[in-house]
Amino acid sequence: DTGVSQDPRHKITKRGQNVTFRCDPISEHNRLYWYRQTLGQGPEFLTYFQNEAQLEKSRLLSDRFSAERPKGSFSTLEIQRTEQGDSAMYLCASSLRLAGYNEQFFGPGTRLTVL
Amino acid sequence: GENVEQHPSTLSVQEGDSAVIKCTYSDSASNYFPWYKQELGKGPQLIIDIRSNVGEKKDQRIAVTLNKTAKHFSLHITETQPEDSAVYFCAASLSYSGGGADGLTFGKGTHLIIQP
Repeated sequence: DTGVSQDPRHKITKRGQNVTFRCDPISEHNRLYWYRQTLGQGPEFLTYFQNEAQLEKSRLLSDRFSAERPKGSFSTLEIQRTEQGDSAMYLCASSLRLAGYNEQFFGPGTRLTVL
Repeated sequence: GENVEQHPSTLSVQEGDSAVIKCTYSDSASNYFPWYKQELGKGPQLIIDIRSNVGEKKDQRIAVTLNKTAKHFSLHITETQPEDSAVYFCAASLSYSGGGADGLTFGKGTHLIIQP
């Protein structure tokens, strides 16, 4: 399967713990996006990378959240000192930045539950 | 920032009938409008998209129309089938001429139910 993959698929943690999620984009895609989706809502944009550069961060991305894409391939999203309000599905998407190509393809997501 | 409104939140149609989902957006600079289908426990799947230089686009049983003046766009599904049952999301973003889109702003979704 050559689609976007995410790991882990599910994560249960206690309030105050740190968690890290990984996203592997489609291999030739140079843009990578992170979104958060809560129950009954559409995904909300968090941040995106072009290659290894983080180009935009949403106001939703508090200081407890940090994302990296060190070699322009896979990306990690870390949440420090988790809170119950962080419980959500964290989605990763990738796209190929070429003229006329804007399609973002999503992975299956990581469902985070903070107890 | 951009705001996308989507209606209805739930839509139930008989198998074989058509379904229409409508969205409005607030930022006149937005120029890229994709539609996603999300099944339970899965990530959103891109089903069709449209750019602001086009008024309509069709792909087999699905079509999307865009009215830039009114800032609204719609998804049309004809000859609905049971496998069309899912949550559908519209989205909007600004895409630069050099390619690539900013983060998408999504609507809240429409739960489409196909009655057999």
